[in-house]
Amino acid sequence: KQEVTQIPAALSVPEGENLVLNCSFTDSAIYNLQWFRQDPGKGLTSLLLIQSSQREQTSGRLNASLDKSSGRSTLYIAASQPGDSATYLCAVNNNAGNMLTFGGGTRLMVKP
Amino acid sequence: SAVISQKPSRDICQRGTSLTIQCQVDSQVTMMFWYRQQPGQSLTLIATANQGSEATYESGFVIDKFPISRPNLTFSTLTVSNMSPEDSSIYLCSALRDTRRGYTFGSGTRLTVV
Repeated sequence: KQEVTQIPAALSVPEGENLVLNCSFTDSAIYNLQWFRQDPGKGLTSLLLIQSSQREQTSGRLNASLDKSSGRSTLYIAASQPGDSATYLCAVNNNAGNMLTFGGGTRLMVKP
Repeated sequence: SAVISQKPSRDICQRGTSLTIQCQVDSQVTMMFWYRQQPGQSLTLIATANQGSEATYESGFVIDKFPISRPNLTFSTLTVSNMSPEDSSIYLCSALRDTRRGYTFGSGTRLTVV
């Protein structure tokens, strides 16, 4: 059974810092991995999708990398802003069934 | 990616009653899913909504408690039946058009049972 872990669980940084969120998964036979953002009490917004054959994806200040063999992904946020404050979720799509397995999330606060 | 309209966005319900949540997708999608997010927790898959047939439920979730319908490729409903305070959660629907584009989520339904 796939298990996804995110570290740290919570992070507080001053505005302008570059930061890295970590995601690890136990079964490397994944189809793809997706990073989401969730604001309090809201739904999920997709940030980046990395296929298993890819190493990284970039969107604006966000960069996500994938090392499938070691079961790791990182989300890099450059020049953080208060508007980046949210919970960031990593989710893995296993080959079977197309269901997503979610990590516990990293709750990020960026202070002005 | 597909855009999902989910409603209601929130509700406060009496215990013992039922609530039906609707999700409408702006385009045909291959798969739709329903998730629950309990306070302070991550998302747990309730079931896969199958078009034209019974939903596929995950361990710990049963059809009598969470009946699901998916009459076509763009619409699905989840009913939370005979509610108790333990059902207070955010319920989210998700759609997958194809694996190249990834999953899209609705805006969620925040349910409080009193």
